[in-house]
Amino acid sequence: ILNVEQSPQSLHVQEGDSTNFTCSFPSSNFYALHWYRWETAKSPEALFVMTLNGDEKKKGRISATLNTKEGYSYLYIKGSQPEDSATYLCAHPNQAGTALIFGKGTTLSVSS
Amino acid sequence: EPEVTQTPSHQVTQMGQEVILRCVPISNHLYFYWYRQILGQKVEFLVSFYNNEISEKSEIFDDQFSVERPDGSNFTLKIRSTKLEDSAMYFCAVQRTGPYNEQFFGPGTRLTVL
Repeated sequence: ILNVEQSPQSLHVQEGDSTNFTCSFPSSNFYALHWYRWETAKSPEALFVMTLNGDEKKKGRISATLNTKEGYSYLYIKGSQPEDSATYLCAHPNQAGTALIFGKGTTLSVSS
Repeated sequence: EPEVTQTPSHQVTQMGQEVILRCVPISNHLYFYWYRQILGQKVEFLVSFYNNEISEKSEIFDDQFSVERPDGSNFTLKIRSTKLEDSAMYFCAVQRTGPYNEQFFGPGTRLTVL
């Protein structure tokens, strides 16, 4: 069983603040690391799929880094906006790639 | 247009009743999944389905659960005799290529067992 942990559990920031949160995962038998954004009453939306150590991906104001040797990924949001309020989930495929193992998520709330 | 839709959005049922949750992928997908999230807990994998058969299932997916894709379009999850602890948000996910690649999630069905 691959355990995925995320921190913090929740976060409240002001509009314009930059923020980041962490996903940790077992570093052995690494295949990929997925980040999803899940807004209330909507489908979880894929942000990034990261596979290479040292990878950095960016989508607008959101970026993510990956360290497979030490087993962590950071998600950064620059200049948070109220529409960034959501739960951010990371997930790690199992060995067969037939299932995603999720962390509990970080719930971000951005006040205007 | 979303990759996948789910019906119903909310289902309330009595303990012991059967429920069928439906997932309709929009475009061609090869891999299909069901996950669930009990309130306050992690999203948990239930089952994966490829080439018209189950490729993997979790320990949650016991004999009370079944999946099928009868018409090559809808992908259904059936719970034969619901229990209180089956109350959760159930998500369908699809994947064009895989494994390890991006999964597209539906909006979920909230199942409430009374």
